[in-house]
Amino acid sequence: NAGVTQTPKFQVLKTGQSMTLQCAQDMNHEYMSWYRQDPGMGLRLIHYSVGAGITDQGEVPNGYNVSRSTTEDFPLRLLSAAPSQTSVYFCASSLYLAGNYGYTFGSGTRLTVV
Amino acid sequence: DQQVKQNSPSLSVQEGRISILNCDYTNSMFDYFLWYKKYPAEGPTFLISISSIKDKNEDGRFTVFLNKSAKHLSLHIVPSQPGDSAVYFCAASETGTASKLTFGTGTRLQVTL
Repeated sequence: NAGVTQTPKFQVLKTGQSMTLQCAQDMNHEYMSWYRQDPGMGLRLIHYSVGAGITDQGEVPNGYNVSRSTTEDFPLRLLSAAPSQTSVYFCASSLYLAGNYGYTFGSGTRLTVV
Repeated sequence: DQQVKQNSPSLSVQEGRISILNCDYTNSMFDYFLWYKKYPAEGPTFLISISSIKDKNEDGRFTVFLNKSAKHLSLHIVPSQPGDSAVYFCAASETGTASKLTFGTGTRLQVTL
């Protein structure tokens, strides 16, 4: 049982480049999310999905796109990388059970934009 | 506008003693609260949660207390162990928004020998 798998673990981009951060889960979770962690700011929600074909914006969506064509995969696309997007990105999935839902995070992707 | 606040960036506790980590929230719509533990270079790991219909939840050495009137929750670790040294995040969500967690800024706990 792999849980939530994120690739790559590290990435350096030049300003203006685009790339896709991959996220896959094998737990048949309906809910998936992307967060970024910056020093002193905790984790902030970028985009989330409540099921295949359904996505919505979180707190800091600008500069990012997502799609959810399957239950398992939830890629995050950076359209034109900027230094402000230097951060650690975490993907998470959750299974909603009334009153008791758990969240599983991937190990993160450390992105540097130069 | 920080809706979930952890006002203590760090905490140092001796092994065997109690660790108390605090969290305050401002959004009265939050009704589910979670604590996550994070080691360097790893993703956050779910620790314990509490629904707003309860005021206490225990799981082994970990207990979370919720005071809804004060919009305050705390995580108690008894006894503290060196392996508990990590960053602890408080998070909150509203019913029906399982994917939308709002996190605090974290408290770094160091358990000393």
